Amino acid sequence: EDKVVQSPLSLVVHEGDTVTLNCSYEVTNFRSLLWYKQEKKAPTFLFMLTSSGIEKKSGRLSSILDKKELFSILNITATQTGDSAVYLCAVHTQYSNYQLIWGAGTKLIIKP
Amino acid sequence: DTGVSQDPRHKITKRGQNVTFRCDPISEHNRLYWYRQTLGQGPEFLTYFQNEAQLEKSRLLSDRFSAERPKGSFSTLEIQRTEQGDSAMYLCASSTPGLAGLNEQFFGPGTRLTVL
Repeated sequence: EDKVVQSPLSLVVHEGDTVTLNCSYEVTNFRSLLWYKQEKKAPTFLFMLTSSGIEKKSGRLSSILDKKELFSILNITATQTGDSAVYLCAVHTQYSNYQLIWGAGTKLIIKP
Repeated sequence: DTGVSQDPRHKITKRGQNVTFRCDPISEHNRLYWYRQTLGQGPEFLTYFQNEAQLEKSRLLSDRFSAERPKGSFSTLEIQRTEQGDSAMYLCASSTPGLAGLNEQFFGPGTRLTVL
């Protein structure tokens, strides 16, 4: 059965710290991995990763994929209280090209 | 606002009642998805439309659930004879007709259902 596992489930850090969130997957026929940020509303898209070793970057957020070891990481540097959210990882597979397989999310809390 | 919209945002109902939710996708998106999300979990796929055709339904979608997208634009999700276990956030997402598995989904604000 395809699955996506995120760790840690929750994380509390102080403003200014750097955090690394993990997403590992076991799926057949991987196609892409997506990161979303969810505050008290719907998920908002952050990154889509399809190739190993190519970093995607947006401001203080960056992400990279390792297709050999079947995981991705999401880094946030110089964290701010506005980064507090649940970060969700999801995977497209070739045989589920119309739906995403989701992890449970990492709840990140940034203390001032 | 040109994003995905959902209505209502909140719904409180008594067990046994029927409820209907509406989703308006981004106008040029031909793919529409319904998900259900409970506290502390990622979204669970319910069903998917490409234009007006419903191409996939999750086994989570019992016969009390039905979804339509009659003209390939907005979609409705109906739950009949609601149960307390139906309480959740119902999310709608849409995406472009790009290469399958290589296009992000854009989410609406969700409808939070509480069944008493």
